[in-house]
Amino acid sequence: AQSVAQPEDQVNVAEGNPLTVKCTYSVSGNPYLFWYVQYPNRGLQFLLKYITGDNLVKGSYGFEAEFNKSQTSFHLKKPSALVSDSALYFCAVRASNTGGFKTIFGAGTRLFVKA
Amino acid sequence: DAGVIQSPRHEVTEMGQEVTLRCKPISGHDYLFWYRQTMMRGLELLIYFNNNVPIDDSGMPEDRFSAKMPNASFSTLKIQPSEPRDSAVYFCASSQTGWDTEAFFGQGTRLTVV
Repeated sequence: AQSVAQPEDQVNVAEGNPLTVKCTYSVSGNPYLFWYVQYPNRGLQFLLKYITGDNLVKGSYGFEAEFNKSQTSFHLKKPSALVSDSALYFCAVRASNTGGFKTIFGAGTRLFVKA
Repeated sequence: DAGVIQSPRHEVTEMGQEVTLRCKPISGHDYLFWYRQTMMRGLELLIYFNNNVPIDDSGMPEDRFSAKMPNASFSTLKIQPSEPRDSAVYFCASSQTGWDTEAFFGQGTRLTVV
């Protein structure tokens, strides 16, 4: 069965410091991985995705993610955090099933960036 | 495009009443998803459609929940009768065909059943 794990409920980081939000996955075949961000009272917004190719993927707002096949991980990173990055972050994996596909989301990690 | 549009944004209803949530996907997107978000269970996929046809409704919690997509620009999620445990934020999302396509989410409907 396909699954996504975000081992940290919350990540705290000081503004200007690098941040990492962790994600591991389990999927049959090649993974299609995504990161989304959710601000209060809003829907999820797409940040970046890994489909194939370079293991380091760059996305919106200065975020990047590193795909590691051997560790089945897709950690989200940013070199210098901003207070405005404080939000709920979701890792997601696209999985196959008969007749179509669906995206499975992790439980989410709340990021707090302190000024 | 205005993005995925959901209505209403907030709904408060009494237990036992019927509730209908509405969604207009992005034009040209042929996949539509309904998700439910709660603190306890996170983001759950309820059902998704491809070209207006339901593909997987295994996430629909029980028979009280039903979803339809009569055409490419409109979908509904209905709960009848509603119960307090249905209180959650319900999101609609749409995407184009393809393994590498991201989903675009609406702003959600916050449902409170009292």
